[in-house]
Amino acid sequence: DAGITQSPRHKVTETGTPVTLRCHQTENHRYMYWYRQDPGHGLRLIHYSYGVKDTDKGEVSDGYSVSRSKTEDFLLTLESATSSQTSVYFCAISGGQGTQPQHFGDGTRLSIL
Amino acid sequence: GENVEQHPSTLSVQEGDSAVIKCTYSDSASNYFPWYKQELGKRPQLIIDIRSNVGEKKDQRIAVTLNKTAKHFSLHITETQPEDSAVYFCAASIGGGADGLTFGKGTHLIIQP
Repeated sequence: DAGITQSPRHKVTETGTPVTLRCHQTENHRYMYWYRQDPGHGLRLIHYSYGVKDTDKGEVSDGYSVSRSKTEDFLLTLESATSSQTSVYFCAISGGQGTQPQHFGDGTRLSIL
Repeated sequence: GENVEQHPSTLSVQEGDSAVIKCTYSDSASNYFPWYKQELGKRPQLIIDIRSNVGEKKDQRIAVTLNKTAKHFSLHITETQPEDSAVYFCAASIGGGADGLTFGKGTHLIIQP
């Protein structure tokens, strides 16, 4: 399995609080991604990174920000969590275009009450 | 942006029979098409992928076919076994996978004993 660690694995918080999810990789891969998974929607891309300090928006980026200060870490922040952001969040990594496919972490289950 | 449709949403087959899951995509520039298997409560795991310069790819009991003209691709599983029961997701990408994947909504495959 690809060396991807997501933390925390589970989190319950209240509406309006800030939340940060962490994705840590040991593969030295250039590309990292955040997806959310909701029943009936499959997986949807939130943000991705193509290098340190290089990020871009995905399909459902509103309400989320990301940062990547080191190759191995990609952080997803919900500045002011809303109940609609209750979801399972998956991080994925990839070696890059035309080289290696995306491999996923174990996910973070986030509940916002 | 890209849109991926996946059918059927649920597929029940007898053990030993074949299963076929179909996906269509909207953007003719898409050039990378992976398939993921996800067991309940687990991470999506890549089972096979195909690039636009290839029409078919096989890996033991699993095969994927791609029709670029019709913009559809299919997953074929032969001699199905109980451990094949899971949710399967197709996906498409324009940038060879580097700029993120657009997923279908998934197919719940049930293998009847």
